[in-house]
Amino acid sequence: DTAVSQTPKYLVTQMGNDKSIKCEQNLGHDTMYWYKQDSKKFLKIMFSYNNKELIINETVPNRFSPKSPDKAHLNLHINSLELGDSAVYFCASSQTHLGTGELFFGEGSRLTVL
Amino acid sequence: GESVGLHLPTLSVQEGDNSIINCAYSNSASDYFIWYKQESGKGPQFIIDIRSNMDKRQGQRVTVLLNKTVKHLSLQIAATQPGDSAVYFCAENAGGTSYGKLTFGQGTILTVHP
Repeated sequence: DTAVSQTPKYLVTQMGNDKSIKCEQNLGHDTMYWYKQDSKKFLKIMFSYNNKELIINETVPNRFSPKSPDKAHLNLHINSLELGDSAVYFCASSQTHLGTGELFFGEGSRLTVL
Repeated sequence: GESVGLHLPTLSVQEGDNSIINCAYSNSASDYFIWYKQESGKGPQFIIDIRSNMDKRQGQRVTVLLNKTVKHLSLQIAATQPGDSAVYFCAENAGGTSYGKLTFGQGTILTVHP
């Protein structure tokens, strides 16, 4: 069983469209994250939720709206997609938000905006 | 290949050699320092961490060294194997109320030749 699973794995869409990426973890963790990895492999945190509550929001444009219906799920909705949104988006989870920094990452969702 | 055009630091070694990957960090107040491995097409995978009050920590075939004086972190991999080929990232855990927020370094591409 995959610990952190995200769908879709690939997403190709036109500028201006709205899209969502879903993430689920079956590790029983309290905390989930969205990270963005750009074309230079640079990884940057976007959001973090602890037990469905938003705890980190890293000045991401408000076109990005995370939603956590329960602590095992964290979805990312993106409105009015722009070319610069093209990246690989990684979902991750950790046991708590007070730990050492050991995160469990999903395999990524590669978003291409044309 | 995936690394074309990335311009990340690279390290090429022969199978069986020891590898040393280096990282400079910026935040003196970071509480934990972590190494992640990212294989092609996959999410980052936790390797080992070290707390700021330690200088050295050993795992299975890996050793992490922390030099706080010069803000330097290194990952040593013993008897490197082809399966170790990946991009390696160091990360800092900001600590305080932001324990879940990791700041990643730029990554180093390790290539192991059989």
